[in-house]
Amino acid sequence: AQTVTQSQPEMSVQEAETVTLSCTYDTSESDYYLFWYKQPPSRQMILVIRQEAYKQQNATENRFSVNFQKAAKSFSLKISDSQLGDAAMYFCAYRSAFPPRGDMRFGAGTRLTVKP
Amino acid sequence: DAGITQSPRYKITETGRQVTLMCHQTWSHSYMFWYRQDLGHGLRLIYYSAAADITDKGEVPDGYVVSRSKTENFPLTLESATRSQTSVYFCASSGTEGNEKLFFGSGTQLSVL
Repeated sequence: AQTVTQSQPEMSVQEAETVTLSCTYDTSESDYYLFWYKQPPSRQMILVIRQEAYKQQNATENRFSVNFQKAAKSFSLKISDSQLGDAAMYFCAYRSAFPPRGDMRFGAGTRLTVKP
Repeated sequence: DAGITQSPRYKITETGRQVTLMCHQTWSHSYMFWYRQDLGHGLRLIYYSAAADITDKGEVPDGYVVSRSKTENFPLTLESATRSQTSVYFCASSGTEGNEKLFFGSGTQLSVL
């Protein structure tokens, strides 16, 4: 079964600085999708960014970008110009590309604190 | 309103009681999921369903039962609640493509006393 590991339970960053959250995963599949979700105190789950495994180019969404290393099975999230509103739990997730599998597995999460 | 809704929002029950958490989505999404969220464990998949009448176990299915007789509904039942099932439960849905994000409900906070 696929597993997702986030080795940093907590991280903190100064406002306007850059922070990188780590994620590794284990799979025997060649095609899959990776996601980062943000969960603020409201408990709402918000998609931050997604990456297709067959694409070598790293995904970017405004201040958020990923470093996808397929051979190393690593998928880190970089947040540039951190803002107070970025403070939240961040979850890395893996989803198989092969129906009817389709289930999404999450890591344990990283709690990000942003210091003013 | 369109979306995915869970009920109840909060639930307190006693050990040994049967509890059913409801989940309803209006998008006609094929996939539906149940997760539990516990500190230090993130979101763990309990059960998921690829279509009506098709369900499959996730990482932590023991003590839970699901059904999906209609595409839009995916109830989760705790047959005999235990204290270890105290958690926040999230329902989610998505379309059939693997790159599609999951849409999450607001969660049900369940306490088993």
